[in-house]
Amino acid sequence: GESVGLHLPTLSVQEGDNSIINCAYSNSASDYFIWYKQESGKGPQFIIDIRSNMDKRQGQRVTVLLNKTVKHLSLQIAATQPGDSAVYFCAELRDGGATNKLIFGTGTLLAVQP
Amino acid sequence: DTAVSQTPKYLVTQMGNDKSIKCEQNLGHDTMYWYKQDSKKFLKIMFSYNNKELIINETVPNRFSPKSPDKAHLNLHINSLELGDSAVYFCASSHHYTRSSGNTIYFGEGSWLTVV
Repeated sequence: GESVGLHLPTLSVQEGDNSIINCAYSNSASDYFIWYKQESGKGPQFIIDIRSNMDKRQGQRVTVLLNKTVKHLSLQIAATQPGDSAVYFCAELRDGGATNKLIFGTGTLLAVQP
Repeated sequence: DTAVSQTPKYLVTQMGNDKSIKCEQNLGHDTMYWYKQDSKKFLKIMFSYNNKELIINETVPNRFSPKSPDKAHLNLHINSLELGDSAVYFCASSHHYTRSSGNTIYFGEGSWLTVV
């Protein structure tokens, strides 16, 4: 079946620490993955993406790691700040020609403690 | 400037009513979507339109009828509203996906629908 799941529904970290949010996906044919951040009362915002021909991609304070062997994706946030508090979703894009669609994971709530 | 805008942001209505949510994007995208987010934050695609043509319909009840008058607009009309329709509905848009271009999907701020 189709599923993208997260290991931890809630992650609490101290301000300044690094955060790691994990995600498992089930479809080995998926070739594009995206992390989204959703703040309270807002829509999901794109953070970073990675293609299946890469195993690591870095952005500003964020790094996404992809392990295709075990179908695992992670988002690392360096020096976590209070503004990083949000729900984080991983999503995989299934390319079906005209019917490609983004399948979301269940979300992890990141709570940053001051 | 708002990239993907949807109205209304909040909607409270009684069971059995018919309501619409409107969406517009000014990003020049050719593909638009409706997603539903339930109380557990689970996001699931409902519909996708590419160049005004329906390309994804995820077994949504036919009480839900999307309409795309042009590439920049995708409206959602819901007939005979039920309690279980209470959710946040997100409109989104993107360029059509190709393996070389990827497909960053941009979301609106959501429409909070409460059916009482």
